Formats: sequence, structure tokens, C-alpha cells
Amino acid sequence: AQSVTQLDSQVPVFEEAPVELRCNYSSSVSVYLFWYVQYPNQGLQLLLKYLSGSTLVESINGFEAEFNKSQTSFHLRKPSVHISDTAEYFCAVMISGGYQKVTFGIGTKLQVIP
Amino acid sequence: EAQVTQNPRYLITVTGKKLTVTCSQNMNHEYMSWYRQDPGLGLRQIYYSMNVEVTDKGDVPEGYKVSRKEKRNFPLILESPSPNQTSLYFCASSFQGAGTEAFFGQGTRLTVV
Repeated sequence: AQSVTQLDSQVPVFEEAPVELRCNYSSSVSVYLFWYVQYPNQGLQLLLKYLSGSTLVESINGFEAEFNKSQTSFHLRKPSVHISDTAEYFCAVMISGGYQKVTFGIGTKLQVIP
Repeated sequence: EAQVTQNPRYLITVTGKKLTVTCSQNMNHEYMSWYRQDPGLGLRQIYYSMNVEVTDKGDVPEGYKVSRKEKRNFPLILESPSPNQTSLYFCASSFQGAGTEAFFGQGTRLTVV
């Protein structure tokens, strides 16, 4: 069975500062990796995903994540955060080639301070 | 507009009174699932369905039922709600396929008193 660990439950950061949200996973087989974002009072929406190929994936709003197989990590980064990035971020893993079950981490609340 | 619609958004009920939370998607997705979100526990899968009339238990199915009579609908049923089922519930859907993303509803905040 796969599992996901998000080491930080809350991350406060000043506006325009860089941020890294950490995610580690555990699986005995190949996986797909996702980051979802949840804005207040909304459902989750996909931020970015890694399926195969280039280990660095980017989102349209400046976030990026790098798949590191040796460290079983998929950390999310942004070089300069904005107030509008305040949200909860969930890392998720899906077994490749299997059915659609997605296992989520507990989430990291990113609080951007003006 | 492609979307997953849950109703109601908010619900307060009493212990033991049966309730149903509806979920409908307009994207012709095969796969649908229900999650509950609790502080410090993230999202945990309750039930999922791979297609019409095909459902199975997720990680925390106790106290819940589901049905999938039509492709677009996947209602969540609490036959006898208890206070420990107070939570934020999300329905999600996706295509069957490698690494396809899930689309989530807006959530249903349920309080059982």
C-alpha cells in the first residue's frame, strides 16, 4: 500500500518570499504524484502532477515540484509567494497501472503574511 | 461548465436520522469516490465506484452506504448518523486512466448532534 507524509502542517511565510512544502511518499511500485490546492470553503483542485518524463513539473501560477525517486520526495516550491497563495496544499499518490485510488497526505496550510 | 455538484452544502442533523448527500457530475467520468476531511487526518476515502453498479469500500466505510445506478450520480447515505460522522465530505470524479486527475465538488459540511 502507498502512503504520503507531509511533514509540515502549517507554513507561515512573508509575501514575496520563497516557500517549499515538503512531501514524501512510500510505495513498493511506481507511482503518479499530485499536488492539489484547497482555497477556503472550496473543494480541491489540481495544481500539478508528475506521471513520467521530466522530473520537474510546473503549474500555471508559478509553483513547481520535483520528483526525486531516490529520496521518494515530491516537494512543492514557489520562488515568490503572493497573498492569493494562502490555501491548504495536499500531496497525493496513485499507483501507476492500478485503479484510480488516490492516497492523500494530511495537508499543509500555507499562510502568506503581508 | 464541467463540474461536480454536491448537495446540500451544509447540514445539521440529529443522531440516528437517516440522510443522503447527493453528488452529480457532468463529465461522463467512470470513477467516482467519496472522501471525508478531518483536521489533522487529511482526506480519507469512504467508498468508490469504478462504473455503474460497481462500488467498493475505501479506507473508512463504516457507517456509510453508496449506490451507483446511473453514471452521473453517486449518493452517500448515512443510515443512522452518529456524532463521529461530523465532518467535511467531498465527492470526486475522474476518467479511468493512467494518472488522470480528480475533480472535486465544493464539499458538504455535516454536523451530527
